[in-house]
Amino acid sequence: GAVVSQHPSWVICKSGTSVKIECRSLDFQATTMFWYRQFPKQSLMLMATSNEGSKATYEQGVEKDKFLINHASLTLSTLTVTSAHPEDSSFYICSAPLSYEQYFGPGTRLTVT
Amino acid sequence: RKEVEQDPGPFNVPEGATVAFNCTYSNSASQSFFWYRQDCRKEPKLLMSVYSSGNEDGRFTAQLNRASQYISLLIRDSKLSDSATYLCVANTGNQFYFGTGTSLTVIP
Repeated sequence: GAVVSQHPSWVICKSGTSVKIECRSLDFQATTMFWYRQFPKQSLMLMATSNEGSKATYEQGVEKDKFLINHASLTLSTLTVTSAHPEDSSFYICSAPLSYEQYFGPGTRLTVT
Repeated sequence: RKEVEQDPGPFNVPEGATVAFNCTYSNSASQSFFWYRQDCRKEPKLLMSVYSSGNEDGRFTAQLNRASQYISLLIRDSKLSDSATYLCVANTGNQFYFGTGTSLTVIP
């Protein structure tokens, strides 16, 4: 099946710094990718839809200036958490659709101290 | 109202039992549906796709009722390894909507 990778898989950073997370579709092209956040014991919450070559579409309540998304190619989308705070600590997962199915990356666990 | 709603559980069942989860969706235009399995601290993995009335794969059966707008997942002969969170997903246009997940623990 299709493969989506994420990097890094785990990151610890200090409050106030920025963290970039990469999401790659390895064997297919994705004009759209999705970014989710998941807090412990909660379901996936869609943050934004990343569109290749155009601006991302953010869900209500998600700050676009804080969560910068860049979809520069058909196989790569990046999410940058700017000026991270402890409350941004979460599990961030990307996915890319192929046909009618979604393929998820393995996730990035962010801990902000 | 949420796009997709699930009973969060938890469901605690003995090994060998049959367990069923239900999921309702609000948008009648939803085209396809999925059940994903998510283990703790891991990404969701596709378990089953449901495009028409239903789908069966071994011990797992998914059914779709468009008139009542619900999807069900039936697990027969539960194994310890079935313990996980099961996410119901509805695809509407280019969007995928997740339920909150149902937690299942299979007890020896």
